[in-house]
Amino acid sequence: EAGVTQFPSHSVIEKGQTVTLRCDPISGHDNLYWYRRVMGKEIKFLLHFVKESKQDESGMPNNRFLAERTGGTYSTLKVQPAELEDSGVYFCASSLGQGGIYEQYFGPGTRLTVT
Amino acid sequence: GNSVTQMEGPVTLSEEAFLTINCTYTATGYPSLFWYVQYPGEGLQLLLKATKADDKGSNKGFEATYRKETTSFHLEKGSVQVSDSAVYFCALRGSSASKIIFGSGTRLSIRP
Repeated sequence: EAGVTQFPSHSVIEKGQTVTLRCDPISGHDNLYWYRRVMGKEIKFLLHFVKESKQDESGMPNNRFLAERTGGTYSTLKVQPAELEDSGVYFCASSLGQGGIYEQYFGPGTRLTVT
Repeated sequence: GNSVTQMEGPVTLSEEAFLTINCTYTATGYPSLFWYVQYPGEGLQLLLKATKADDKGSNKGFEATYRKETTSFHLEKGSVQVSDSAVYFCALRGSSASKIIFGSGTRLSIRP
């Protein structure tokens, strides 16, 4: 069974440009999460989808970030316009259900570099 | 709010040395505690977990015990190998929450 996949693995863009990250969860997983690690610090939660609905978007840093999950399958995270402080590694995870008994499976991450 | 603090790295050890990576947490209620590992070029993997006080999680020779009295979940391994070189993240998840709260990560390098 395929794991969580993310595309691209690495993106380098200039400040002010737009970037879209994609996450394909494990098939059948209704729950999808985005996290990011900035400047080698802790990994921080961004948001949580249940199917196509945003369950919790309390971690989204500002309105330059837009996450979508049309159809409840793959998800995209768009940064527009990108700023230098957005550089970091963006992780996606998926799980079969919510709550502590359901393990979150993580993808390899997308490394975003804003110059 | 909930938070996790872990020892800063990098940590460099010789093969077969004993490893301890300290982790303490702040949380309300009874969270689940985790150690995740990220090997070079790979994604985050769950290494071990413990869901209640005094539970011991173990995997691949690594162990961690959920200590509620000291709010700690230190990671230990008796004899490390070069293949253990990775970044290790301590984390917690509230009993009714979905999101995971991570520490800042500890980079471990093992020299032959």
